[in-house]
Amino acid sequence: QKEVEQNSGPLSVPEGAIASLNCTYSDRGSQSFFWYRQYSGKSPELIMFIYSNGDKEDGRFTAQLNKASQYVSLLIRDSQPSDSATYLCAVPREGSYIPTFGRGTSLIVHP
Amino acid sequence: GAVVSQHPSWVICKSGTSVKIECRSLDFQATTMFWYRQFPKQSLMLMATSNEGSKATYEQGVEKDKFLINHASLTLSTLTVTSAHPEDSSFYICSARDRAVRETQYFGPGTRLLVL
Repeated sequence: QKEVEQNSGPLSVPEGAIASLNCTYSDRGSQSFFWYRQYSGKSPELIMFIYSNGDKEDGRFTAQLNKASQYVSLLIRDSQPSDSATYLCAVPREGSYIPTFGRGTSLIVHP
Repeated sequence: GAVVSQHPSWVICKSGTSVKIECRSLDFQATTMFWYRQFPKQSLMLMATSNEGSKATYEQGVEKDKFLINHASLTLSTLTVTSAHPEDSSFYICSARDRAVRETQYFGPGTRLLVL
């Protein structure tokens, strides 16, 4: 089993809808979780990080963490075409701060 | 906010030459920097972890004699691709770890290397 799993997609949603991106991880000891957005041809940019169970909201983005089930999700409300990108989940390796990245989920928001 | 720069953003070179890429954290001290490589439509691949003042730790399968990493200060790390070949053509991205912000990494804009 890979350490960080993401569905590669593409996930296609209409403009204005809620996009839901999921990530599962294998290490139960993981404490911090990160979501990055990567536009085609660009480097990743940090969107959110979460370290407590529950939800964390920042504008149109909500990160949800469930440590018992070992998954972290990213919800994008009122999706815009400009949200079309690849979204990467990152989880530090066990006993380390070195992150393991998922392969990313491609999101397409169509008008 | 935390800013990481990379230089150059584009490199085109002949096969056999060496290329140096710089990564700088502009407004914070980065005791650790990471170097990644990304081929088209593929995920980020961690090449090495660079700690200030010590030797880099390379991931399995990455040739340390080919990809030389130096992290001489808290704000600068360099990656030198020695004797570059066409198969080294890729998108090289560095990131810097900010210990003050929950171990968050901030990425540089990346360097595109094309070896002819």
